[in-house]
Amino acid sequence: DIQMTQSPSTLSASVGDSVTITCRASQSFSIWLAWYQQKPGKAPKLLIYKASSLETGVPSRFSGSGSGTEFTLTISSLQPDDFATYFCQQYNNYPWTFGQGTKVEIK
Amino acid sequence: EVQLLESGGGLVQPGGSLRLSCAASGFTFSNYAMHWVRQAPGKGLEWVSVISGSGDKIKYADSVKGRFTISRDNSKNTLLLQMDSLRAEDTAVYFCARARATNEVGSIVNNWGQGTLVTVSS
Repeated sequence: DIQMTQSPSTLSASVGDSVTITCRASQSFSIWLAWYQQKPGKAPKLLIYKASSLETGVPSRFSGSGSGTEFTLTISSLQPDDFATYFCQQYNNYPWTFGQGTKVEIK
Repeated sequence: EVQLLESGGGLVQPGGSLRLSCAASGFTFSNYAMHWVRQAPGKGLEWVSVISGSGDKIKYADSVKGRFTISRDNSKNTLLLQMDSLRAEDTAVYFCARARATNEVGSIVNNWGQGTLVTVSS
């Protein structure tokens, strides 16, 4: 199974900041990497798929990059609605696996 | 509008069984692979199982293989998860989710239900 490791686990930032979350895979794969946002008590929301493709309706301040074993999610100009937990997920092969999550908190 | 509505969660004793349902609407159900993903309280996400649109391709996480059975009734637009031999570590919110692309078992998911809580405890 491919293990996904996110860093940091928690991130404190202010509105307007640019933040980057990293996801590292235990095995190399191409672009089958997704990023989700989750708020308490809600289902995850797909933000990015194929490592860098923005899901329909997601603001352009979210961007993804990477391939191989290292992937990043960047949120430029953090907005109040962006304070949430973010998960990466590989769908290169089954079983699909997720990172442990990164909580973005208000500084 | 795509809607996914899970039901069937509840409290069950260790070793017991439970059947979850996910009622789908707003799209041609049989064209999409469907997944179950779970989240233990305060924890991360764990993929559980996938079934293709026709039901002929199925995969499970090792943690549930041999105990859980995924199925679908395309005539009723319903996804099912039969959970047997339940353990305390199966306690979680169970989400059903729909693939983003049609007829692709490997497609990422982009529509999720609100989840149903399963608690395994004596």
